Amino acid sequence: DAGVIQSPRHEVTEMGQEVTLRCKPISGHDYLFWYRQTMMRGLELLIYFNNNVPIDDSGMPEDRFSAKMPNASFSTLKIQPSEPRDSAVYFCASSFGELNTEAFFGQGTRLTVV
Amino acid sequence: GDSVTQMEGPVTLSEEAFLTINCTYTATGYPSLFWYVQYPGEGLQLLLKATKADDKGSNKGFEATYRKETTSFHLEKGSVQVSDSAVYFCALRGQGAQKLVFGQGTRLTINP
Repeated sequence: DAGVIQSPRHEVTEMGQEVTLRCKPISGHDYLFWYRQTMMRGLELLIYFNNNVPIDDSGMPEDRFSAKMPNASFSTLKIQPSEPRDSAVYFCASSFGELNTEAFFGQGTRLTVV
Repeated sequence: GDSVTQMEGPVTLSEEAFLTINCTYTATGYPSLFWYVQYPGEGLQLLLKATKADDKGSNKGFEATYRKETTSFHLEKGSVQVSDSAVYFCALRGQGAQKLVFGQGTRLTINP
């Protein structure tokens, strides 16, 4: 398996623009997680899905952020409008099953909002 | 809520030195515990895990033992290499929960 695939790897955008980050989880995995990594706050869980249904979005910073999972092989994280404080590395991860399993991470998308 | 506390970095060692990175946790019940490693420019990779008390996880010469009495999961390696330079994250998955809770990460640099 190719692992969790994220695109793009790098994104530079201007403040106010819409940004869409994409993730393809490992085939067969039923959980998908979006994390954000910054120097100040470390790794923060934004939202996670089970069988394409959002389970916990309490980490989503504000209404400018939205996430969807239209099918088992694709998820998006959208920021509209983007702000400089959204600059971070965004990771997608997936896992299978409910007991004692680890999450597999993608390589991340480095977002810079100028 | 559940939380993980790691020793603050950065940590700088010479090659072949002994490594310990401390990790303690707060959680109810019996969480599963993990160490992840992040190499520069890459995502997190699972290094090792332990799912019940007194379990020892090991991989690539690294070890960590799940100590419920001290709520700890310290990472150790007997002889580090330059290639071990990375950021190390301790994490837990609470009993019955799905999301991973991460510590702040510890940056390790090994000098030749």
